[in-house]
Amino acid sequence: DAGVTQSPTHLIKTRGQQVTLRCSPISGHKSVSWYQQVLGQGPQFIFQYYEKEERGRGNFPDRFSARQFPNYSSELNVNALLLGDSALYLCASSLGQGGNQPQHFGDGTRLSIL
Amino acid sequence: AQSVTQPDIHITVSEGASLELRCNYSYGATPYLFWYVQSPGQGLQLLLKYFSGDTLVQGIKGFEAEFKRSQSSFNLRKPSVHWSDAAEYFCAVGHGSSNTGKLIFGQGTTLQVKP
Repeated sequence: DAGVTQSPTHLIKTRGQQVTLRCSPISGHKSVSWYQQVLGQGPQFIFQYYEKEERGRGNFPDRFSARQFPNYSSELNVNALLLGDSALYLCASSLGQGGNQPQHFGDGTRLSIL
Repeated sequence: AQSVTQPDIHITVSEGASLELRCNYSYGATPYLFWYVQSPGQGLQLLLKYFSGDTLVQGIKGFEAEFKRSQSSFNLRKPSVHWSDAAEYFCAVGHGSSNTGKLIFGQGTTLQVKP
């Protein structure tokens, strides 16, 4: 079975632009979470979606938004990009929404802001 | 507030030597605990998890971890390290509820293996 797939793998944007990152979960998984990993740090939680509803939100500004589609895939949108948004964006999927559900990560999208 | 501390940013061990990576957490109840490994340019792979029961848990690739409630620790161990184990290791704590899968990660420990 395919794992979590993310697209694109790399992206270069300039300040002020907008970006959309995509994630397809493992087949059968209904929960998708997004994390931001800045170089040299651990991942930080951005959002969790389960059954197309937002179930959790981290400490990120409103420039960050996400949604989940009926097929459980998800998009992360970031508006008005700042240099500090440069990071690896990781998507993780799990069967359910709870803390006892192991999360399976994709390889991420590397976003560089010039 | 939940937090995870990995006291060692870098660790270097010789191939064949034993390994212990430290993790301390702060959480008000029994947490869900995880160890993940990340190779360069890749996502995170789950090594093992602890939810309840036996405090010594076995994972993939020969890794094990021990939950010690009195020390708020969940250290990762391996008896004999292989060169392919060189990577970054993250400890994470999950919320002990059914309503959210949010993970809090430590800042990671980079493992270097000497031949």
